[in-house]
Order: sequence, then C-alpha cells, then structure tokens
Amino acid sequence: DADVTQTPRNRITKTGKRIMLECSQTKGHDRMYWYRQDPGLGLQLIYYSFDVKDINKGEISDGYSVSRQAQAKFSLSLESAIPNQTALYFCATSDPRGGDTGELFFGEGSRLTVL
Amino acid sequence: RKEVEQDPGPFNVPEGATVAFNCTYSNSASQSFFWYRQDCRKEPKLLMSVYSSGNEDGRFTAQLNRASQYISLLIRDSKLSDSATYLCVLPYSGAGSYQLTFGKGTKLSVIP
Repeated sequence: DADVTQTPRNRITKTGKRIMLECSQTKGHDRMYWYRQDPGLGLQLIYYSFDVKDINKGEISDGYSVSRQAQAKFSLSLESAIPNQTALYFCATSDPRGGDTGELFFGEGSRLTVL
Repeated sequence: RKEVEQDPGPFNVPEGATVAFNCTYSNSASQSFFWYRQDCRKEPKLLMSVYSSGNEDGRFTAQLNRASQYISLLIRDSKLSDSATYLCVLPYSGAGSYQLTFGKGTKLSVIP
C-alpha cells in the first residue's frame, strides 16, 4: 500500500460543483502539502500545513480551501469548480525532524477535469 | 519569489550517451538544491540532493555553481529507464517556513 494515498484518482465534474480531494498518509509526518501541476508547468503550491493547527496559503490558494482533520489527513476543496482548475493535483508529506532535507513524499496524484 | 529556470527539452539521446541538464536560479542564498525525477503520469520522487559543491551517485552527478547561479545534472551511460522528466528544486526559507520551488522540468528520452 502507498504511504501517501489520494482519492479520488480521477474525477470529471462540471463547472460550479463542489469537489473534495482527500489525502491520507501512514508515514507519521507532520507536514503536508497540496500542489497542482499543469502540462508544461512546474508544481505550484496551493496550501500547506505544518501540523494539525497550522494551515498556510501557498502560491495559488484562490479558489481552494483545505482542512487538516488529523495528522494523517489533509483534504483539498474546490468550493465552485471552474475549467481552469483542470489539473493534476498532488498531495505530499515531509518530515523536518531530520532537518530540512528537501524530500517530499508524494501521493500518486488526482487528475481533475472540470467541464 | 525564488525563481528556477530549466530547458524543457526534450533531450533525445541514444543509449549509452552522456547527457547534462542545467538549471539556473535567482534570488537564493540556499546551501542546498535537489533534483527530482518524474515519470510520465506519475508522482515526482527525489533523485539527488546537492549540498555544497556537488554530489555523485553512480551514473548521476549533480553540481552547484554559486558564482554563475546554476546547478547541473549529468547522467552517464544513459539507460532506457532514465527516460523521465527531471525537476530542479530550490528551497527557500521565509516567514518561519521552509518551502520548495520546483522548476518546470527537463524531459529526457533515451532511445534504443
């Protein structure tokens, strides 16, 4: 089983619908992240959380919200999806206890299409 | 904001060739950089960390040139399995947080 699990893996929805992408991890890491990736573009940080009580906006948080339900769970919501939110979304975790090593552990991605 | 620039490629090379990618950066005093590998339709995974001047791991060598503000990744004796997109990653710290900025990636295709 994957250490970082994302659901759903694929989703097609319509403009205006509310969508939630879920992420759970078994690595015991405090830090969790949501990124989006568009074709030909780098990963862009949407939100990140360094512990259950800590939520921070990333580069492109507009139109998104998150919830850190537990150390192991971090969900991303699109309250009213629009077509330019069509992208591949990645959840990731990291563990700073050994220092900031730059290693993120990614889930397998959630491909979202907004029609 | 920290910027990371990469040549998107694609780099098409024959098996056994040596290939090198560069990544330029700006506005960083970071002591470390990273290369990630991303296979088609898969998640990125850490390939190498670059501390101080460089790092070598088997066929892969990463180097940091602070004066010219670039890092490089050299792959020797290319294998078909090396075909992937290679992401240059720059850390930065600010406002009490530690973040990673990802380049757009360089696509490598190793041809039989």
